[in-house]
Amino acid sequence: QQQVKQSPQSLIVQKGGISIINCAYENTAFDYFPWYQQFPGKGPALLIAIRPDVSEKKEGRFTISFNKSAKQFSLHIMDSQPGDSATYFCAASPDTGGFKTIFGAGTRLFVKA
Amino acid sequence: GAVVSQHPSWVICKSGTSVKIECRSLDFQATTMFWYRQFPKQSLMLMATSNEGSKATYEQGVEKDKFLINHASLTLSTLTVTSAHPEDSSFYICSAQRGQGTYEQYFGPGTRLTVT
Repeated sequence: QQQVKQSPQSLIVQKGGISIINCAYENTAFDYFPWYQQFPGKGPALLIAIRPDVSEKKEGRFTISFNKSAKQFSLHIMDSQPGDSATYFCAASPDTGGFKTIFGAGTRLFVKA
Repeated sequence: GAVVSQHPSWVICKSGTSVKIECRSLDFQATTMFWYRQFPKQSLMLMATSNEGSKATYEQGVEKDKFLINHASLTLSTLTVTSAHPEDSSFYICSAQRGQGTYEQYFGPGTRLTVT
């Protein structure tokens, strides 16, 4: 119940294309859903996050779509650029228990120039 | 704002020695810090939750006597890997929460530990 399932494991997209990464969860106590971007040898950086009271959040080229009934959420990267090549982690935090974050397995994105 | 630093960024030590990793919140006070471990091409695994002035809460399967965590101030938490062995080699990352009851975590750049 504490898992966050992320897919695909890896993704190759042409420059200018749309990158889509999906995540699913079981625990209805999750109340905060962030996405992190991590470059090799660096710590994760918060990209965008959403609460379950909204179905979509957009920040620049990054959009989170959230489907509460299906317990799924996804990250869309519009106009993907080679500089977006990184590992992306979805995550979820419950509203209890110290606000710990449960991470998905990660998606390695490669944007071809 | 919300910058977290880690020191050292990488360290090589001999088997049997102890290594201390520092995590600092540079421009905010962090009542809660988290320590993660990450193996190559894998996700982040939470090791422990550190609250200022109290004992750390360790995740199941993490040896508290091996991974000593101290959160002495609102801006500093340390992780000491005691009697390190090659299997402790990993990428250790800390994160900090700004304020209580908040979700947002700000991550440090990580520390690469290699035990020979």
